[in-house]
Amino acid sequence: QQQVKQSPQSLIVQKGGIPIINCAYENTAFDYFPWYQQFPGKGPALLIAIRPDVSEKKEGRFTISFNKSAKQFSLHIMDSQPGDSATYFCAASYTGNQFYFGTGTSLTVIP
Amino acid sequence: DVKVTQSSRYLVKRTGEKVFLECVQDMDHENMFWYRQDPGLGLRLIYFSYDVKMKEKGDIPEGYSVSREKKERFSLILESASTNQTSMYLCASSLWSGLSTEAFFGQGTRLTVV
Repeated sequence: QQQVKQSPQSLIVQKGGIPIINCAYENTAFDYFPWYQQFPGKGPALLIAIRPDVSEKKEGRFTISFNKSAKQFSLHIMDSQPGDSATYFCAASYTGNQFYFGTGTSLTVIP
Repeated sequence: DVKVTQSSRYLVKRTGEKVFLECVQDMDHENMFWYRQDPGLGLRLIYFSYDVKMKEKGDIPEGYSVSREKKERFSLILESASTNQTSMYLCASSLWSGLSTEAFFGQGTRLTVV
């Protein structure tokens, strides 16, 4: 059973567009929701993360929106650039336990 | 600069061979993880470890074992490699605290079993 469900599987946007990637979870014990970015040939790297006591977090052009009641969270990339083309994974974890990852979204930003 | 280092970027092994994937972290992290990554399936946890000589099964442990004799090193062992174990293998580590914290990943080992 997939603990974290991610959509869409792939996404193509024009430069300057705002891609949105969505994730949903069931386990209300999760206390940490990170997003990882992975470029070809590299391991995933933390992009931004949120804890469930806030509804939104921004870091540069990247924003996480968190809806605790709906058990959903999403990543928004403002003013997207070709260099943002990568695979994005959402994840969830609780009290230092293992991380549960979504299936990934392949983002392509067209110049 | 924090680092998780996997011993090989690419490996080609024959069916039935015993395969060792090594991972070393220099951050004094308690937690270490082994994932495999396959297209459309995301990252699936094979095994994880909270401490030296401790190990816990993840979601897909069949056909794999692990060893953690030292805090900084976590090894994944394929007892008898099969073609369905062809995949990208990712090692990660994280600090144990009362709350979850960032996991740091290695660069991955692409294993091909022929």
